[in-house]
Amino acid sequence: QVQLQESGPGVVKPSETLSLICSVSGVSFTSYYWNWIRQTPGKGLEWIGYIHHSGTSDYNPSLKGRVTISVDPPRNQFSLKLSSVTAADTAVYYCASVGGFGGSFDSWGQGALVTVSS
Amino acid sequence: DIQMTQSPSSVSASVGDRVTITCRASQDVTGWIAWFQQKPGEAPKLLIYAASTLLSAVPSRFSGSGSGTDYTLTISSLQPEDFATYYCQQAHTFPYTFGQGTKVE
Repeated sequence: QVQLQESGPGVVKPSETLSLICSVSGVSFTSYYWNWIRQTPGKGLEWIGYIHHSGTSDYNPSLKGRVTISVDPPRNQFSLKLSSVTAADTAVYYCASVGGFGGSFDSWGQGALVTVSS
Repeated sequence: DIQMTQSPSSVSASVGDRVTITCRASQDVTGWIAWFQQKPGEAPKLLIYAASTLLSAVPSRFSGSGSGTDYTLTISSLQPEDFATYYCQQAHTFPYTFGQGTKVE
């Protein structure tokens, strides 16, 4: 049973970098693809990107240039950094796993609300 | 990007009703469709993947079908715990994209 938990600051100032960590437990970290997804009332659910323990990754082109996802297998963690944030990046950020269910997000963290505000 | 269009955006239903939600992709996604249920304050929960495969813990009143660009989620007899928002998602091409959601109220 995959368990995921997001952690990080709840408020980020405009133009600064949003940083979140997802801690994974209950499964082999090497068996899954690890994703970040965000949700806003206006744009709905938006896939941000994924990373594999090998370092293979891909990002949503809408955020490319601002997003970096990295992985720390010994700690069973992966992280999200989103630079130059604006109010439009205010969202609930979820980490989620993809483990073979047709490429779909089979387990999700509880979500972390990040507000961009000065 | 593949655009996912759900309809209706909301549906008013009663316990015991049959509810059908449709999802249309802007191009053929060859069955790489998932359906999620989300309740207020919770993360989305995967119900169906590969268009029609139910996760083992999902009640059999849920079913999925479709092919090509058109897909359907059906709840055969709505239960009180099924009032929620439902999303489709395509897993055919990066960037993965979601429908805008259908609220069952």
